[in-house]
Amino acid sequence: SQQGEEDPQALSIQEGENATMNCSYKTSINNLQWYRQNSGRGLVHLILIRSNEREKHSGRLRVTLDTSKKSSSLLITASRAADTASYFCATDAYAAGNKLTFGGGTRVLVKP
Amino acid sequence: DAGVIQSPRHEVTEMGQEVTLRCKPISGHNSLFWYRQTMMRGLELLIYFNNNVPIDDSGMPEDRFSAKMPNASFSTLKIQPSEPRDSAVYFCASSQANYGYTFGSGTRLTVV
Repeated sequence: SQQGEEDPQALSIQEGENATMNCSYKTSINNLQWYRQNSGRGLVHLILIRSNEREKHSGRLRVTLDTSKKSSSLLITASRAADTASYFCATDAYAAGNKLTFGGGTRVLVKP
Repeated sequence: DAGVIQSPRHEVTEMGQEVTLRCKPISGHNSLFWYRQTMMRGLELLIYFNNNVPIDDSGMPEDRFSAKMPNASFSTLKIQPSEPRDSAVYFCASSQANYGYTFGSGTRLTVV
């Protein structure tokens, strides 16, 4: 089974709305990362949050981490059509060395 | 920096043929990862290297798969003989310590 699992699997919103997706994981982590993948392309690193951090911002992105619940959320504010993509969380777990385990992703569609 | 470079972008081959995928990581990155992505199984880590040394190949599906990293600037993933179920997008990624990964654009492999 995958370490990180995203919820929801798919999300459809109107341009300008906020998009929120969640990630749950199972074991203790060094850090958690979020990636974006546009159709037919490679993954692009968005943001990394360390296990001792609770919230991080990058532009229109806000990531939270709750290690007690083993969960993270990614919020995209004021979404744009260009934000249409799949979003993946990935965990760097203590027991796994320097390697990431990816969840199944959330497909986000932003309608103009 | 041109990023992580993978070749070829697309490969169509007949069952039983040997396939070699190539990757040039970002200069200065000391870790290199090979992932496979399919609709059914999502992103799977096949193998990763630290400082050119294979650390974990537990994700390599069968003996038909092999990977090498002869130097810090080049890695190959070979499938011999290839089978239709190997059809997928294969990604190479590199990273430096506990920072985000940089992914290549992937190789879309189709085995007929």
